[in-house]
Amino acid sequence: NAGVTQTPKFQVLKTGQSMTLQCAQDMNHEYMSWYRQDPGMGLRLIHYSVGAGITDQGEVPNGYNVSRSTTEDFPLRLLSAAPSQTSVYFCASSLTGVQGGYTFGSGTRLTVV
Amino acid sequence: RKEVEQDPGPFNVPEGATVAFNCTYSNSASQSFFWYRQDCRKEPKLLMSVYSSGNEDGRFTAQLNRASQYISLLIRDSKLSDSATYLCVVNNPRGSQGNLIFGKGTKLSVKP
Repeated sequence: NAGVTQTPKFQVLKTGQSMTLQCAQDMNHEYMSWYRQDPGMGLRLIHYSVGAGITDQGEVPNGYNVSRSTTEDFPLRLLSAAPSQTSVYFCASSLTGVQGGYTFGSGTRLTVV
Repeated sequence: RKEVEQDPGPFNVPEGATVAFNCTYSNSASQSFFWYRQDCRKEPKLLMSVYSSGNEDGRFTAQLNRASQYISLLIRDSKLSDSATYLCVVNNPRGSQGNLIFGKGTKLSVKP
């Protein structure tokens, strides 16, 4: 099993550009989440999904969209990149939700200039 | 009050030392508790869940005090490989099953 796979690992965007961060898991997990991690801030939840077709907002959803058309994939879209979105983005998945803990992908380091 | 607060750290300890991390959480309705470990520039990895009766996994012991809304992690006989940032995590009872709240982490450095 590959676990949780995130692509790309690194990305530099110009302000105003859009892009999609990819996340895929091969563990048949229903629960998937996107977090961003900034220095001194800890991980903050952007969006999450409890199954295909179901998504919800987390703590910091503004500027991001998600969709969950399949169990395996949970892409995160940046609509119009801003320097404040410079961060490390982690995708995570879980079989049982919060009771069982989450498995994280290796992250995407995004810089917006 | 922040939702999950941890010792600020960093903790610098010699090999073989015992070290304890503390964490408090603000919402008494939280039901799930975890410690994650994060190495520098890596993803967080689940270290252990924390149960009401306390639980142990080798050199690691986790305790939960629901009345005080307090979680602890004890590491005995520290190894160089234990050097990492330790994240205290609780579920957000206002969210659904997908919603975890992370503390900012406590950095541990184990020296030879």
